[in-house]
Amino acid sequence: DQQVKQNSPSLSVQEGRISILNCDYTNSMFDYFLWYKKYPAEGPTFLISISSIKDKNEDGRFTVFLNKSAKHLSLHIVPSQPGDSAVYFCAAIRGNKLVFGAGTILRVKS
Amino acid sequence: DAGVIQSPRHEVTEMGQEVTLRCKPISGHNSLFWYRQTMMRGLELLIYFNNNVPIDDSGMPEDRFSAKMPNASFSTLKIQPSEPRDSAVYFCASSLSDGSWTLHFGNGTRLTVT
Repeated sequence: DQQVKQNSPSLSVQEGRISILNCDYTNSMFDYFLWYKKYPAEGPTFLISISSIKDKNEDGRFTVFLNKSAKHLSLHIVPSQPGDSAVYFCAAIRGNKLVFGAGTILRVKS
Repeated sequence: DAGVIQSPRHEVTEMGQEVTLRCKPISGHNSLFWYRQTMMRGLELLIYFNNNVPIDDSGMPEDRFSAKMPNASFSTLKIQPSEPRDSAVYFCASSLSDGSWTLHFGNGTRLTVT
């Protein structure tokens, strides 16, 4: 039962361009969403979050958009840098449980 | 701050053997989580503790898996007996129970069961 889905296993983007990572969820009871970034041989690290009462949250080059009617959120990285190459996990909270998607591998080419 | 510390980093064992994974959370954090990462299912929550008490273990695959948190600075995840399908990367994470849900993950233990 994948309640949080990241349907694109990988994404390749040219340095300087925008990276858009997508996430869909099935449970309308989720009330908080997060993105984590993971480098090889390391644990995931928190990147950015958004409450369900908002539709946008921005932090430097990173912006998360939430479309509750479509049960969809996206992470925009602009401009993309080679150091952004990593696995990005979308996560959602319901009650006391943090549920992760399967992740999307982002490769930023220089 | 040393972050969340997991040991061992790698574990290779034979089917049927007991495996114990260890975690030291960040000092002062009162929530601890065990996650498993596989290619097929991504990051799955196995169990989480709040103030050393198991709150939700519904993600633990079966009775072969058990987790303990005897004190605020140490937790173990045990698999007995281990099976090849248990091969995965196991992550421990800790956080404050402040509503931010900002989990701090360790670097994981890569388990291979042959």
